Amino acid sequence: EPEVTQTPSHQVTQMGQEVILRCVPISNHLYFYWYRQILGQKVEFLVSFYNNEISEKSEIFDDQFSVERPDGSNFTLKIRSTKLEDSAMYFCASSEVGQAGTDTQYFGPGTRLTVL
Amino acid sequence: AQSVTQLGSHVSVSEGALVLLRCNYSSSVPPYLFWYVQYPNQGLQLLLKYTTGATLVKGINGFEAEFKKSETSFHLTKPSAHMSDAAEYFCAVSAFGNEKLTFGTGTRLTIIP
Repeated sequence: EPEVTQTPSHQVTQMGQEVILRCVPISNHLYFYWYRQILGQKVEFLVSFYNNEISEKSEIFDDQFSVERPDGSNFTLKIRSTKLEDSAMYFCASSEVGQAGTDTQYFGPGTRLTVL
Repeated sequence: AQSVTQLGSHVSVSEGALVLLRCNYSSSVPPYLFWYVQYPNQGLQLLLKYTTGATLVKGINGFEAEFKKSETSFHLTKPSAHMSDAAEYFCAVSAFGNEKLTFGTGTRLTIIP
């Protein structure tokens, strides 16, 4: 069964450093998402991406964050200058159509980001 | 705005007992409701979803959930727990025309042999 993959599974970085989290969505999917979960808190929507542009973003997704689809398979989340509060599990997801009710978002296993 | 509350961050049940995981939602428009499960070191997997129509929804692995508008609830049940059900369960809400999912904080289900 096709699945969303994410690398690395765990990333440790120093505060102020840039990190790039990588995701390979399911191959025929057109909509891509990033969510995050700070330990003990809710899974929160960060951003959705379609047709090489952001279609929706949350208030969390400020100028420190960016997303890119650099080639036909990868989808990346960049955090320009990490803060302690960026420590979280980051989930990538993809879907065919993009309507949450009529479509299913398939999630990757997550990348645990630890900022020291 | 939409939100989800999951009562009980940890639930333990004996093998063979009823599983009941609670989810209440808040939505100003008709909601779409979801339950996802996460097994260790894996991604979130869709268990079941409600969009419209029949309010009792059946999902994978013997789970079902009932949409109760009057109670703003979407509780997840399974008649008989199995050891393989041990995982984290997330309730989520969305709506027509909305791409994003709004999740609860999750409930960790432990099965006691």
